[in-house]
Amino acid sequence: DTAVSQTPKYLVTQMGNDKSIKCEQNLGHDTMYWYKQDSKKFLKIMFSYNNKELIINETVPNRFSPKSPDKAHLNLHINSLELGDSAVYFCASSQDGTVSSYEQYFGPGTRLTVT
Amino acid sequence: RKEVEQDPGPFNVPEGATVAFNCTYSNSASQSFFWYRQDCRKEPKLLMSVYSSGNEDGRFTAQLNRASQYISLLIRDSKLSDSATYLCVVIRASNTGKLIFGQGTTLQVKP
Repeated sequence: DTAVSQTPKYLVTQMGNDKSIKCEQNLGHDTMYWYKQDSKKFLKIMFSYNNKELIINETVPNRFSPKSPDKAHLNLHINSLELGDSAVYFCASSQDGTVSSYEQYFGPGTRLTVT
Repeated sequence: RKEVEQDPGPFNVPEGATVAFNCTYSNSASQSFFWYRQDCRKEPKLLMSVYSSGNEDGRFTAQLNRASQYISLLIRDSKLSDSATYLCVVIRASNTGKLIFGQGTTLQVKP
């Protein structure tokens, strides 16, 4: 049973399109995250939700909009895709959003290529 | 300057070698420290926590030096399966749940 799953695994699309990535966790965790890993391998947090409430919102273009319909799901919608959005997007979850929740469980990643 | 810095490597070592990685962090308010491991084209996974007193898990030893603001990871008797990227991770006291990742150090263990 996959703990944190993401779909799709690969996404190739053209500039200007709108796309969504879905994430689900079956660990019963309260907190979920979106990370972006760029071509230089830096992994940076984008958003975090705790029990459907947004708690971390980094400096991310407002073309990126997360949505959490329930605490087991966190989706990421991207409008007007740009070349610089090409990266691997990881979803993760943790028990809660406190400083003790350092063990985050990551999904397999979605490799987004914008052409 | 990045808040968490690592030498990206790659470190190429023969099987059985001992290898050490360092990581420096710039924010003295950083509270908690970890090493994550990321295999090629896979997701990161927690390897171990890092304490001032040192933390050992089998062939892996992690150490924290708060005065010099660096973290180390020592791998003894390297195995082929240790080949991966090792990510240094920091949590600032003021940011709950927000992991700050270094770029990672790539290790290649050769037969």
